[in-house]
Amino acid sequence: KNEVEQSPQNLTAQEGEFITINCSYSVGISALHWLQQHPGGGIVSLFMLSSGKKKHGRLIATINIQEKHSSLHITASHPRDSAVYICAVRPWGGSQGNLIFGKGTKLSVKP
Amino acid sequence: NAGVTQTPKFQVLKTGQSMTLQCAQDMNHEYMSWYRQDPGMGLRLIHYSVGAGITDQGEVPNGYNVSRSTTEDFPLRLLSAAPSQTSVYFCASSNGQTYNSPLHFGNGTRLTVT
Repeated sequence: KNEVEQSPQNLTAQEGEFITINCSYSVGISALHWLQQHPGGGIVSLFMLSSGKKKHGRLIATINIQEKHSSLHITASHPRDSAVYICAVRPWGGSQGNLIFGKGTKLSVKP
Repeated sequence: NAGVTQTPKFQVLKTGQSMTLQCAQDMNHEYMSWYRQDPGMGLRLIHYSVGAGITDQGEVPNGYNVSRSTTEDFPLRLLSAAPSQTSVYFCASSNGQTYNSPLHFGNGTRLTVT
Protein backbone atom coordinates (compact mmCIF):
# COMPACT_ATOMS: atom_id res chain seq x y z
CA LYS A 1 0.00 0.00 0.00
CA ASN A 2 1.32 3.45 -0.91
CA GLU A 3 2.01 5.65 2.07
CA VAL A 4 0.72 8.71 0.22
CA GLU A 5 -2.44 8.38 -1.86
CA GLN A 6 -3.82 11.14 -4.05
CA SER A 7 -7.27 11.37 -5.60
CA PRO A 8 -8.38 11.72 -8.22
CA GLN A 9 -5.54 10.56 -10.49
CA ASN A 10 -6.90 12.63 -13.37
CA LEU A 11 -9.27 15.57 -13.31
CA THR A 12 -10.80 17.58 -16.14
CA ALA A 13 -12.62 20.80 -15.34
CA GLN A 14 -14.19 23.73 -17.14
CA GLU A 15 -12.69 27.14 -16.68
CA GLY A 16 -14.15 28.81 -13.60
CA GLU A 17 -14.92 25.61 -11.69
CA PHE A 18 -13.91 25.02 -8.08
CA ILE A 19 -11.40 22.16 -7.88
CA THR A 20 -10.43 19.90 -4.99
CA ILE A 21 -7.52 17.48 -4.96
CA ASN A 22 -7.13 15.13 -2.02
CA CYS A 23 -4.11 13.60 -0.31
CA SER A 24 -4.23 10.88 2.35
CA TYR A 25 -1.22 9.46 4.12
CA SER A 26 -0.59 6.63 6.53
CA VAL A 27 2.48 7.74 8.51
CA GLY A 28 2.95 10.31 11.23
CA ILE A 29 4.24 13.48 9.67
CA SER A 30 5.78 16.77 10.67
CA ALA A 31 4.95 18.58 7.42
CA LEU A 32 3.13 18.20 4.12
CA HIS A 33 4.05 19.79 0.80
CA TRP A 34 1.92 20.58 -2.22
CA LEU A 35 3.89 20.88 -5.46
CA GLN A 36 2.93 21.85 -9.01
CA GLN A 37 4.58 20.30 -12.06
CA HIS A 38 3.87 22.04 -15.35
CA PRO A 39 3.82 20.27 -18.72
CA GLY A 40 7.36 21.54 -19.33
CA GLY A 41 8.44 19.43 -16.36
CA GLY A 42 9.56 22.02 -13.82
CA ILE A 43 8.38 21.55 -10.23
CA VAL A 44 7.34 24.46 -8.04
CA SER A 45 6.53 24.39 -4.35
CA LEU A 46 3.02 25.73 -3.65
CA PHE A 47 2.59 25.14 0.07
CA MET A 48 4.25 23.59 3.05
CA LEU A 49 1.96 23.11 6.04
CA SER A 50 1.80 21.24 9.30
CA SER A 51 -1.61 22.35 10.57
CA GLY A 52 -4.68 24.33 9.62
CA LYS A 53 -4.96 26.16 6.35
CA LYS A 54 -2.89 28.30 4.00
CA LYS A 55 -4.02 30.51 1.13
CA HIS A 56 -2.13 31.99 -1.78
CA GLY A 57 -4.15 33.75 -4.43
CA ARG A 58 -6.73 31.28 -5.76
CA LEU A 59 -5.07 28.32 -4.07
CA ILE A 60 -6.03 27.04 -0.63
CA ALA A 61 -4.42 24.11 1.19
CA THR A 62 -5.85 22.49 4.30
CA ILE A 63 -4.60 19.71 6.50
CA ASN A 64 -6.21 17.55 9.20
CA ILE A 65 -3.40 15.87 11.11
CA GLN A 66 -5.73 13.63 13.13
CA GLU A 67 -7.40 12.29 9.99
CA LYS A 68 -4.10 12.19 8.03
CA HIS A 69 -5.64 14.08 5.16
CA SER A 70 -4.95 17.22 3.17
CA SER A 71 -6.82 18.98 0.39
CA LEU A 72 -5.73 21.45 -2.26
CA HIS A 73 -8.48 23.72 -3.56
CA ILE A 74 -8.36 25.93 -6.64
CA THR A 75 -11.03 28.60 -6.92
CA ALA A 76 -12.10 30.05 -10.29
CA SER A 77 -9.90 27.61 -12.19
CA HIS A 78 -8.10 28.75 -15.34
CA PRO A 79 -6.44 26.84 -18.20
CA ARG A 80 -3.05 27.97 -16.87
CA ASP A 81 -3.76 25.86 -13.76
CA SER A 82 -3.40 22.75 -15.93
CA ALA A 83 -0.56 20.79 -14.38
CA VAL A 84 0.24 17.79 -12.23
CA TYR A 85 -0.25 18.48 -8.52
CA ILE A 86 1.89 16.44 -6.17
CA CYS A 87 1.48 15.85 -2.45
CA ALA A 88 4.54 14.95 -0.39
CA VAL A 89 4.91 14.27 3.33
CA ARG A 90 7.87 14.55 5.68
CA PRO A 91 7.69 11.68 8.21
CA TRP A 92 8.42 12.40 11.86
CA GLY A 93 12.17 12.45 12.38
CA GLY A 94 12.87 12.74 8.67
CA SER A 95 15.08 15.42 7.17
CA GLN A 96 13.78 18.00 4.73
CA GLY A 97 15.09 15.90 1.86
CA ASN A 98 13.51 12.70 3.07
CA LEU A 99 10.01 13.04 1.67
CA ILE A 100 7.41 10.50 0.55
CA PHE A 101 5.63 11.57 -2.62
CA GLY A 102 2.23 10.79 -4.01
CA LYS A 103 1.91 9.86 -7.69
CA GLY A 104 0.28 13.15 -8.55
CA THR A 105 -3.07 14.37 -9.83
CA LYS A 106 -3.15 15.50 -13.45
CA LEU A 107 -5.46 18.49 -13.83
CA SER A 108 -6.68 19.77 -17.16
CA VAL A 109 -8.77 22.94 -17.23
CA LYS A 110 -10.65 23.54 -20.48
CA PRO A 111 -11.52 27.05 -21.66
CA ASN B 1 19.08 34.77 -8.07
CA ALA B 2 19.44 31.56 -10.11
CA GLY B 3 17.94 29.17 -7.51
CA VAL B 4 18.72 25.52 -8.32
CA THR B 5 20.57 24.90 -11.58
CA GLN B 6 20.76 21.45 -13.11
CA THR B 7 22.81 20.43 -16.11
CA PRO B 8 22.48 18.94 -18.62
CA LYS B 9 18.77 19.12 -19.53
CA PHE B 10 18.97 16.05 -21.76
CA GLN B 11 21.48 13.20 -22.00
CA VAL B 12 21.68 9.93 -23.91
CA LEU B 13 24.11 7.29 -22.68
CA LYS B 14 25.04 3.84 -23.81
CA THR B 15 24.89 0.99 -21.30
CA GLY B 16 28.04 0.93 -19.22
CA GLN B 17 28.97 4.58 -19.70
CA SER B 18 29.41 6.86 -16.72
CA MET B 19 28.40 10.46 -16.28
CA THR B 20 27.80 13.16 -13.71
CA LEU B 21 24.61 15.19 -13.36
CA GLN B 22 25.40 18.60 -11.98
CA CYS B 23 23.34 20.48 -9.41
CA ALA B 24 24.16 23.86 -7.92
CA GLN B 25 22.19 26.22 -5.70
CA ASP B 26 22.97 29.79 -4.70
CA MET B 27 20.60 30.12 -1.73
CA ASN B 28 23.03 28.79 0.91
CA HIS B 29 20.66 25.89 1.59
CA GLU B 30 21.92 23.12 3.83
CA TYR B 31 19.69 20.36 2.47
CA MET B 32 20.07 19.05 -1.06
CA SER B 33 18.51 15.97 -2.58
CA TRP B 34 18.33 13.96 -5.79
CA TYR B 35 15.11 12.35 -6.97
CA ARG B 36 14.14 10.29 -9.96
CA GLN B 37 10.71 10.45 -11.56
CA ASP B 38 9.36 7.51 -13.51
CA PRO B 39 5.97 7.14 -15.25
CA GLY B 40 3.24 5.99 -12.87
CA MET B 41 5.41 6.46 -9.80
CA GLY B 42 5.96 9.28 -7.38
CA LEU B 43 9.30 10.99 -7.08
CA ARG B 44 11.77 8.70 -5.35
CA LEU B 45 14.72 9.82 -3.27
CA ILE B 46 18.13 8.65 -4.50
CA HIS B 47 20.55 10.43 -2.14
CA TYR B 48 20.43 13.47 0.08
CA SER B 49 22.76 15.72 2.01
CA VAL B 50 22.21 17.73 5.18
CA GLY B 51 25.32 19.84 4.71
CA ALA B 52 28.79 19.96 3.22
CA GLY B 53 30.65 16.71 3.81
CA ILE B 54 27.51 14.80 4.82
CA THR B 55 25.51 12.53 2.51
CA ASP B 56 23.08 9.68 3.01
CA GLN B 57 21.19 7.15 0.95
CA GLY B 58 17.57 7.46 0.02
CA GLU B 59 15.09 4.91 -1.24
CA VAL B 60 16.83 3.96 -4.52
CA PRO B 61 20.60 4.60 -4.16
CA ASN B 62 22.02 1.63 -6.10
CA GLY B 63 24.07 2.62 -9.12
CA TYR B 64 24.50 6.22 -8.00
CA ASN B 65 27.14 8.09 -6.02
CA VAL B 66 27.08 11.59 -4.56
CA SER B 67 29.43 13.93 -2.80
CA ARG B 68 28.98 17.31 -1.12
CA SER B 69 32.32 19.10 -0.97
CA THR B 70 30.70 22.56 -0.89
CA THR B 71 27.36 23.93 0.27
CA GLU B 72 26.52 24.98 -3.30
CA ASP B 73 27.15 21.80 -5.30
CA PHE B 74 25.68 18.30 -5.11
CA PRO B 75 26.64 16.22 -8.17
CA LEU B 76 25.09 12.83 -8.91
CA ARG B 77 27.32 10.24 -10.54
CA LEU B 78 26.13 7.27 -12.54
CA LEU B 79 28.90 4.74 -12.28
CA SER B 80 27.90 2.35 -15.08
CA ALA B 81 24.65 3.36 -16.74
CA ALA B 82 21.89 0.78 -17.17
CA PRO B 83 18.61 1.02 -19.11
CA SER B 84 16.77 0.89 -15.75
CA GLN B 85 18.29 4.30 -15.00
CA THR B 86 16.37 5.90 -17.86
CA SER B 87 14.36 8.51 -16.00
CA VAL B 88 13.93 12.19 -15.28
CA TYR B 89 16.18 13.36 -12.46
CA PHE B 90 15.46 16.31 -10.19
CA CYS B 91 17.71 18.04 -7.74
CA ALA B 92 16.09 19.96 -4.89
CA SER B 93 17.25 22.08 -1.98
CA SER B 94 15.74 23.61 1.12
CA ASN B 95 16.81 25.56 4.17
CA GLY B 96 16.73 22.84 6.78
CA GLN B 97 17.14 25.23 9.68
CA THR B 98 13.80 26.84 8.94
CA TYR B 99 10.82 24.69 9.89
CA ASN B 100 8.48 26.19 7.31
CA SER B 101 10.82 26.18 4.35
CA PRO B 102 9.72 25.14 0.89
CA LEU B 103 11.57 22.91 -1.53
CA HIS B 104 13.29 24.46 -4.52
CA PHE B 105 13.64 22.19 -7.54
CA GLY B 106 15.91 22.31 -10.54
CA ASN B 107 14.37 21.99 -14.01
CA GLY B 108 15.26 18.34 -14.33
CA THR B 109 17.55 16.18 -16.47
CA ARG B 110 15.96 13.73 -18.88
CA LEU B 111 18.33 10.74 -19.16
CA THR B 112 17.98 7.92 -21.67
CA VAL B 113 20.21 4.86 -21.44
CA THR B 114 20.28 2.66 -24.54
